[in-house]
Amino acid sequence: AQSVTQLDSQVPVFEEAPVELRCNYSSSVSVYLFWYVQYPNQGLQLLLKYLSGSTLVKGINGFEAEFNKSQTSFHLRKPSVHISDTAEYFCAVTHLLNYGGSQGNLIFGKGTKLSVKP
Amino acid sequence: EAQVTQNPRYLITVTGKKLTVTCSQNMNHEYMSWYRQDPGLGLRQIYYSMNVEVTDKGDVPEGYKVSRKEKRNFPLILESPSPNQTSLYFCASSTSGNINQPQHFGDGTRLSIL
Repeated sequence: AQSVTQLDSQVPVFEEAPVELRCNYSSSVSVYLFWYVQYPNQGLQLLLKYLSGSTLVKGINGFEAEFNKSQTSFHLRKPSVHISDTAEYFCAVTHLLNYGGSQGNLIFGKGTKLSVKP
Repeated sequence: EAQVTQNPRYLITVTGKKLTVTCSQNMNHEYMSWYRQDPGLGLRQIYYSMNVEVTDKGDVPEGYKVSRKEKRNFPLILESPSPNQTSLYFCASSTSGNINQPQHFGDGTRLSIL
């Protein structure tokens, strides 16, 4: 069975500092990987996704993530955070089926709360 | 404006009283899904639908029902709610069951079952 582990439940950082939010997954088959962000009292927005190709994926708001198959990781990074990046971040995975589609069920990690302080 | 609309946004009710949370999307998306979000557990999928009249169980389907009679609507039904179903619920949709299309989320429905 596939699963997603977000290693840090909370990450406090100062404004303009770099940040890395860690995500590891387990799966016996190929996967698609995603990072979503949830601002207070809102739904989730897609930050970025890895489907295939380049292992370094760039997303919105200056975020990027690197897929590492050997370490089964998909860590999210930003070189300089802003107060407005304060939110909860979710890593998610889904199985890749033979024809290129997916099973349709997205497995989420438990989330990492990023708190950016001035 | 493209959106996923959930109603109600907040509901406090009592054990055993049937309730329905509606979800509607205006993007002509085939794929729709329901999640519940609980502190420390992230989001867990309840049910999903690849298209009209096609629904499948997610990871935590017990105590819930869904239907997909029309493409735009995907209501979540709690026939006999219990306190352990107190949670924040999200509906999502995407253009197809192929998950490489991003899912669009509603703003959430906070249910409290007393």
